[in-house]
Amino acid sequence: SQELEQSPQSLIVQEGKNLTINCTSSKTLYGLYWYKQKYGEGLIFLMMLQKGGEEKSHEKITAKLDEKKQQSSLHITASQPSHAGIYLCGADRDNQGGKLIFGQGTELSVKP
Amino acid sequence: GAVVSQHPSWVICKSGTSVKIECRSLDFQATTMFWYRQFPKQSLMLMATSNEGSKATYEQGVEKDKFLINHASLTLSTLTVTSAHPEDSSFYICSATPLRGLFYYGYTFGSGTRLTVV
Repeated sequence: SQELEQSPQSLIVQEGKNLTINCTSSKTLYGLYWYKQKYGEGLIFLMMLQKGGEEKSHEKITAKLDEKKQQSSLHITASQPSHAGIYLCGADRDNQGGKLIFGQGTELSVKP
Repeated sequence: GAVVSQHPSWVICKSGTSVKIECRSLDFQATTMFWYRQFPKQSLMLMATSNEGSKATYEQGVEKDKFLINHASLTLSTLTVTSAHPEDSSFYICSATPLRGLFYYGYTFGSGTRLTVV
């Protein structure tokens, strides 16, 4: 079964609207990573969260890790066409900085 | 800093031939690199962990004889798809992490390699 569940799987929003993508783990998260990907291209690192309750922001993107460290959300404010792409959450499989496993991804389209 | 270069970006090969993909850490040393595979409209699946100077560790279900990994230096890991078949066509991507003291700084990914086997 999938260890990381992302929702929604796809999202179409009007430019200027806010949106949230969720990532839920069946296990405690030791490190949670958010990446953006254009299909067929490499991954762009967005943010890393490690502590329960932690929240980080970069430009119009904010990510949070809940207190129990089993769920993270990525929030985009006033979306723009440049935000379009596939958003992936990834988690350390163990607590040794080893392997990353990924959610199934959320495909975001922003209509101008 | 923390740039990972992957080469080639895309490759087309005939069924039965072998293809080598390189993953280089350009400005840091990486004792460990990771190889992923991504099918269209799907997420990244970890294939194997490449360890400098030792054998790679493969995930369950990944054929070690088909996907040969060599990590001969602290900045280079290679993935060779041997006797490639059309079902091996996929997007392959590597990642590496620079070690900052006791904490991993995060993972940097290469730009990926699109393999098409005809």
